[in-house]
Formats: sequence, C-alpha cells, structure tokens
Amino acid sequence: NAGVTQTPKFQVLKTGQSMTLQCAQDMNHEYMSWYRQDPGMGLRLIHYSVGAGITDQGEVPNGYNVSRSTTEDFPLRLLSAAPSQTSVYFCASSLTSGGALDTQYFGPGTRLTVL
Amino acid sequence: GIQVEQSPPDLILQEGANSTLRCNFSDSVNNLQWFHQNPWGQLINLFYIPSGTKQNGRLSATTVATERYSLLYISSSQTTDSGVYFCAVMGGANSKLTFGKGITLSVRP
Repeated sequence: NAGVTQTPKFQVLKTGQSMTLQCAQDMNHEYMSWYRQDPGMGLRLIHYSVGAGITDQGEVPNGYNVSRSTTEDFPLRLLSAAPSQTSVYFCASSLTSGGALDTQYFGPGTRLTVL
Repeated sequence: GIQVEQSPPDLILQEGANSTLRCNFSDSVNNLQWFHQNPWGQLINLFYIPSGTKQNGRLSATTVATERYSLLYISSSQTTDSGVYFCAVMGGANSKLTFGKGITLSVRP
C-alpha cells in the first residue's frame, strides 16, 4: 500500500490564481480530511468527507472547495489564492469516523506559498 | 466545539530522561489520538486511545475520559523522539477531529 499520497510537495502561486491539491489513498478508507498547519496554530480542519459523495465543512473552510467522487480521491481546490492561504496542507484518512478502527493516517504534506 | 489544551508548550530533555505530556479537553470524546510530527514534517499516529491505557515500547498513554485528560509518557528519551506531539479529539455526533497546538520536545544528546 502507498498509504496517503499528496501532490505536489511544494507550490508557489500568485494572488488570485487557482489550483488543486491532490490527495489519494489506497486503503479503502471511508473518511478523508484536509488540514492546514500554521506556526503556533496546530492543525485546523478545512473540509472532511465521511464517504464518496459526502463532504462537510471544518473549522476554516472559506476559500476552499472539495469534492469526493470516488472513495480513493479527495482533491482540495483553492478558488482564488490569497497570501493568508500560505501554509502547509495535510490530507488524512481513516477507516471510519468515530469508530474503534479510527486511526488517522496522514499524507506527507504540501507546502504552499502565495505571493 | 471541543477545546483542546496541551502542556507544557515546550520541553527540553537530556537523552535518557523520562517525560509526561498532558492533553486536557473540554467535553466528552469518543476518539482521542496522539501524533508525533518529526523534524521533517511527517505526522505519525502514536496511539488511538479514547479511554484506558496503552503501551508501545518506550511510549505509553493513558486517557481518563471522566476527568477529560490524557497523558503521554516517554521513557528513556532518545534524540529521535524530538519533534512536536499533538493530541487530537473528536466528540459528540460530529466527525471533526480537533487538534491541540502541540508540545515541542527537544531531546539533547
């Protein structure tokens, strides 16, 4: 198993540009989520999905869109990048949400800089 | 939503020392996990422990759900234990995992 993969590893954008961060998992996990990590803030939940076709907002959803058309993929779209979106983005997955087998597995992260 | 507080925010140890990291949370939880973020940024799950005690080598964790806290114990620390330790919880009917701000551990040789 490759686990949770994210692409790209690094990205530089100009203000106003759009882009998609890719996340995929090959563990047949139902639950997938996106976090951003900023210095001194820990990890904050952006969006999450409890299964294909189902998404919901986390703590900091503004400026981001997600979709979940397959179990494996959960892309995060930045509609119009802003400098405040400069951060490290992590994708995570788990077998279920709230259940006993709920260990979260994280991808390697994407470091995004918006100029 | 649930509030998560971790203490101390920073910890410096000499190699071989023991340490206790604390996580307090503001409401009942059905999911609590400890993670280690290494100096290269990778997040690794250490324990899934909504209640009770677990051990894995030199690391162990205890969650007292009724008193809303969890402790992570590191014994005989090694330089490779350095990094940031996060506690994350999920409670109620929602499926949102809330992270604390982390504890930065530095183990000196």
